[in-house]
Parts: sequence; C-alpha cells; structure tokens
Amino acid sequence: EVQLVESGGGLVQPGGSLRLSCAASGLTFSSFWMSWVRQAPGKGLEWVANIKEDESEKYYVDSVKGRFTISRDNAKNSLYLQMSSLRAEDTAVYYCATLSQARYFDYWGQGTLVTVSS
Amino acid sequence: DIQMTQSPSSVSASVGDRVTITCRASQGISSWLAWYQQKPGKAPKFLVYDASSLQSGVPSRFSGSGSGTDFTLTISSLQPEDFATYYCQEAHSFPLTFGQGTRLEIK
Repeated sequence: EVQLVESGGGLVQPGGSLRLSCAASGLTFSSFWMSWVRQAPGKGLEWVANIKEDESEKYYVDSVKGRFTISRDNAKNSLYLQMSSLRAEDTAVYYCATLSQARYFDYWGQGTLVTVSS
Repeated sequence: DIQMTQSPSSVSASVGDRVTITCRASQGISSWLAWYQQKPGKAPKFLVYDASSLQSGVPSRFSGSGSGTDFTLTISSLQPEDFATYYCQEAHSFPLTFGQGTRLEIK
C-alpha cells in the first residue's frame, strides 16, 4: 500500500521560512515524479511544484517561484518543500502527491497545515 | 495558462439520483483530464484519468466523457458515500490546473 506522510507544517510569521517533508513508503520512490499541491482554507486545489525522479527537472507555479524550492532524497524516500518569504496567501494545507507520467496526481498524503500569520 | 471551469458550483441530489458535473477548458486539451473526489478533512481521491478511464477500484456508477474543451463526470445512481466535492484537472501542460470544484450535497 502506498503511503505518503507529510510533516513540518505549523504557524509561521509573514516573511518567515518553513520546511515541509513527505515520507513515502509502499512504492519505488525513485521511479516517481513527485508534487506538492495546496488547498487554502475553504478553497480549491492548487498545484505548487513538481520534481522529476532524478531532480533534473523542477517546475513551480508562478506565485511561489523564487520563494519555494522542491527537493528530494531518494535514499531516504523523502520529498521536501523549502518555503521562504512566506505570505498570508500561502496559508493552506499542503499535500504531497505522486505525479504519473500522464501528469495525474494518483497518490496523495493526508496533508500538513501551514498558517502564515502574525 | 489553461483555465478550468466547472459547473455547477454546487448541486443537491438524493440517493439514487443521476448527477452530471461539467468541466470546460479554456483551450483544447485532447483527453488529458482527470477527476478527483474530496471529502471534508480528507485528501483528494483520484477517480478518472484520460477523461473516461476509471482508476482501479472506482465503482462503475462513475463515468467520464469528453474531449477537447468539454468534459463531464456522471454518477449514475448516487450512493451516500458519493456526497463530496469533485474537481477536474487538466494534464495537458504546466502549470497543471484544477477546476474550482463542484460540491455535491444531499437533498
């Protein structure tokens, strides 16, 4: 059974930084593109970033470019999202998800809440 | 960027009803479309890919159709566990975008 478990969320002040982690099991992690998708309270889903199996390609939504960095450690079966210069509008539940070759999000974690507030 | 527009935003229906949700893309995306189901406080669940193919384990009362710019998700006979919010997602190009969601409520 595929399991994705996010951690690292919490309350942070505007302008602050936070690092999210996602621990994967039940799949050959190094064979999957991985993604972060977020959902602001009461709102819809927004794709944030993707990373290729070998980290050779990374993509970001415009609103986080230059502030967020996606990375992975295949030896630890882990995905990360380093977030800096955080804004109130970054407040959301952040989900880790696998991205199929056809660009569908097939497996999802349970999410971790990030709240940006003073 | 491709914009995805769902309609209606919310719908009320009863157990046993047939319900259809529509998703329209701002430009042609062939059949590169997925549908997800999300229940309150839970992660989205992957239901349909390539516009009309059911993910493994998804009940056959769910069906998807369409290509180009217009797509539908139909639930043929609503069950209590189907009341949730549904999202479409285009997989044609980055940035990958979702519709705003359709909330399916019990009448």
